[in-house]
Amino acid sequence: DGGITQSPKYLFRKEGQNVTLSCEQNLNHDAMYWYRQDPGQGLRLIYYSQIVNDFQKGDIAEGYSVSREKKESFPLTVTSAQKNPTAFYLCASSISTGNTGELFFGEGSRLTVL
Amino acid sequence: QKEVEQDPGPLSVPEGAIVSLNCTYSNSAFQYFMWYRQYSRKGPELLMYTYSSGNKEDGRFTAQVDKSSKYISLFIRDSQPSDSATYLCAMRVYNFNKFYFGSGTKLNVKP
Repeated sequence: DGGITQSPKYLFRKEGQNVTLSCEQNLNHDAMYWYRQDPGQGLRLIYYSQIVNDFQKGDIAEGYSVSREKKESFPLTVTSAQKNPTAFYLCASSISTGNTGELFFGEGSRLTVL
Repeated sequence: QKEVEQDPGPLSVPEGAIVSLNCTYSNSAFQYFMWYRQYSRKGPELLMYTYSSGNKEDGRFTAQVDKSSKYISLFIRDSQPSDSATYLCAMRVYNFNKFYFGSGTKLNVKP
């Protein structure tokens, strides 16, 4: 079945540590996204990528980094510079070109900083 | 002002009721409109996807877009306890891959 796989589902991190969240899709979508979800704040865009080896900052990119070396993969690194990293992180993808393109989500990764 | 506004609720209804969920937006360039359902601790699941104005029906769900009023709605008929979730609206501009989300409305359908 086609879809988006995020791992790990739950992650605990000590302050000062970097952590990388994995996102893999087999939908053959060009565009991939990372969102952060906090209670009462909806979804906020961290980074997005429309093509391999290219990505753009979203609204809250500070303290995060990404790479897009393969079409299927878009890992997110939460660095120690991110001041409040505890959150629910969602990866998504869409067909990039043309006038169609719904957004499909993975199941999410919950990061807790201890 | 946020580009997309959505009442956070919570909205509590009895089983079998008709539910109306709404979003307003400010950008007249939005042309594609989506509704997602999100259960607790899960990723959002796409429910409905509509283009421009008009209605779209899928089973118990009807999505409605009124571009003149910049207002979209999702109606759920014969609501079930399994419909209890947070509902997110989302929208985008033609040929531009950035999506704008409402903050979500939490729905509770009581048996």
